[in-house]
Amino acid sequence: KAGVTQTPRYLIKTRGQQVTLSCSPISGHRSVSWYQQTPGQGLQFLFEYFSETQRNKGNFPGRFSGRQFSNSRSEMNVSTLELGDSALYLCASSLGRTSGFNNEQFFGPGTRLTVL
Amino acid sequence: AQSVAQPEDQVNVAEGNPLTVKCTYSVSGNPYLFWYVQYPNRGLQFLLKYITGDNLVKGSYGFEAEFKKSQTSFHLKKPSALVSDSALYFCAVRDRSGNTGKLIFGQGTTLQVKP
Repeated sequence: KAGVTQTPRYLIKTRGQQVTLSCSPISGHRSVSWYQQTPGQGLQFLFEYFSETQRNKGNFPGRFSGRQFSNSRSEMNVSTLELGDSALYLCASSLGRTSGFNNEQFFGPGTRLTVL
Repeated sequence: AQSVAQPEDQVNVAEGNPLTVKCTYSVSGNPYLFWYVQYPNRGLQFLLKYITGDNLVKGSYGFEAEFKKSQTSFHLKKPSALVSDSALYFCAVRDRSGNTGKLIFGQGTTLQVKP
């Protein structure tokens, strides 16, 4: 079974631009979460989607947004990029059963975003 | 507030020796606990989880973790370390504050296994 895929793997942008990152979950998984990883702040939760609905959102400015499509694929968008947005953005998928949250999340390789 | 702490930034161990990577948690109610490993330029790989039941959980690559409620700890262990175990290890707890699968991560511990 194919794992979580993220595209692109690497991205270089300049301040003020916007960027869209894509995530394809494991087949059959309906829940997708996004995390930002930086050396200073560690792993921070961005958002979580289940069946095209945002179920939870982390403490990030409105420049960060996301969505999920009917095939469970997800995108996140960052507008008006700042230097501090440079990070590894990780996508994770899980079965997302509403009966419980004991299902582990499977992570993709991440998208390395560099803002110049 | 729910949180996870990994008190050691780095753990050094010689190959063949046992290793322990420490994790303590603070949550309301029963915790769902996870360990992940990250190799350079890679995403996180799931190692093991504790949901309920046996306090000693066995996972991938020979790793295990012991849940101790009285100490609010979930330390990761391996009887005999390998050089290839050198990586960044994260402990995480499921956010129990709502209908969510959100994970709250510790700051990570770098494990260095020397030959």
